[in-house]
Amino acid sequence: EAGVTQSPTHLIKTRGQQATLRCSPISGHTSVYWYQQALGLGLQFLLWYDEGEERNRGNFPPRFSGRQFPNYSSELNVNALELEDSALYLCASSPRTVWGGNQPQHFGGGTRLSIL
Amino acid sequence: GNSVTQMEGPVTLSEEAFLTINCTYTATGYPSLFWYVQYPGEGLQLLLKATKADDKGSNKGFEATYRKETTSFHLEKGSVQVSDSAVYFCALNNAGNMLTFGGGTRLMVKP
Repeated sequence: EAGVTQSPTHLIKTRGQQATLRCSPISGHTSVYWYQQALGLGLQFLLWYDEGEERNRGNFPPRFSGRQFPNYSSELNVNALELEDSALYLCASSPRTVWGGNQPQHFGGGTRLSIL
Repeated sequence: GNSVTQMEGPVTLSEEAFLTINCTYTATGYPSLFWYVQYPGEGLQLLLKATKADDKGSNKGFEATYRKETTSFHLEKGSVQVSDSAVYFCALNNAGNMLTFGGGTRLMVKP
């Protein structure tokens, strides 16, 4: 069974540009989650999508956005990039779950975004 | 709000030594608890989980017991190997399905 796949592995951008990160969940999983792992800040929750809808959002500005496609894959878009957006962005998936559910989340290898 | 506190690393052990990584949490209600492991240059791998009080999660020789009375979920392994060298994250999942992570504990096992 293929795991969560993310692309690209590395992405280099400059300040003010836009970045698009992609994620394909494990087959059969309908929930997709995004996390940011920045140096010194640890792992922080960004977004949760299920059945094409945004279900929850972490404490990030609106320039962090995303969407989920009918095949349950997902994109994370970061607009107006700032230096502090440099981080490893991790995508995770789980079977369909409700608010307060306890399904474990399975992670991909991440996209390392570097802002010059 | 929710929070997870882990012992700071790095933890350096010799091969076959006993491992304990402490994890305590603060949360409302009844969260699910997880341990994840991150090897260099990789994403997170789910190591084990527990969904209710007194549950014991176990995998690959690692164990952790959900202790509600002490709000703890300490990770243990009886005999570590060099291949266990990695960063270990304790996490909880409460309302909203957002995992709240501890700061991570780096484990270094020497031959």
